[in-house]
Amino acid sequence: DTEVTQTPKHLVMGMTNKKSLKCEQHMGHRAMYWYKQKAKKPPELMFVYSYEKLSINESVPSRFSPECPNSSLLNLHLHALQPEDSALYLCASSQSGRNTGELFFGEGSRLTVL
Amino acid sequence: QKEVEQDPGPLSVPEGAIVSLNCTYSNSAFQYFMWYRQYSRKGPELLMYTYSSGNKEDGRFTAQVDKSSKYISLFIRDSQPSDSATYLCAMSRPQGSTLTFGKGTMLLVSP
Repeated sequence: DTEVTQTPKHLVMGMTNKKSLKCEQHMGHRAMYWYKQKAKKPPELMFVYSYEKLSINESVPSRFSPECPNSSLLNLHLHALQPEDSALYLCASSQSGRNTGELFFGEGSRLTVL
Repeated sequence: QKEVEQDPGPLSVPEGAIVSLNCTYSNSAFQYFMWYRQYSRKGPELLMYTYSSGNKEDGRFTAQVDKSSKYISLFIRDSQPSDSATYLCAMSRPQGSTLTFGKGTMLLVSP
């Protein structure tokens, strides 16, 4: 079982909706990540939080808004999304923000935008 | 030239075969090398992690890194149908750099 928990597992939303994806880890990791993955493609990095501060934003459109309320929680707020934003959204964590690659992924939230 | 090249497959083998999965890369600054396994509709799972050159073995899995050739490999011995998944290579530079993934190779092990 993964130790990174993501909710919801599936989400369908219209282009005018506002929704949030949630991620939780209790491994004491200090870095948390959001990735987007389209079918048959590798994960693409969206955001990195290190010690609860946003350290990397990979030029993600503002309709995606990350939030890190504390070291165990990571949210991704969604507003006015487009159908092309439909994808698997993966949360990951690592022990520190040095990003040596030992990432632990959740099972993902599969998002469909109508 | 992409930073990391990986054949997407699919690679089909019979149960019990030895599987060899490979990636090449162009950036000599990469120091950390990983293999992730991803089952359909699930998140990636870290399988093997290697720092710099050399071999690492864990059960039926062996990871090899040859930095002089910029080539990494994952060997799976006595492959099982449960090994059927997409295998993603990934690598990173030291000190807070982001992870660079290969495209992933789909492996199918038939009973």
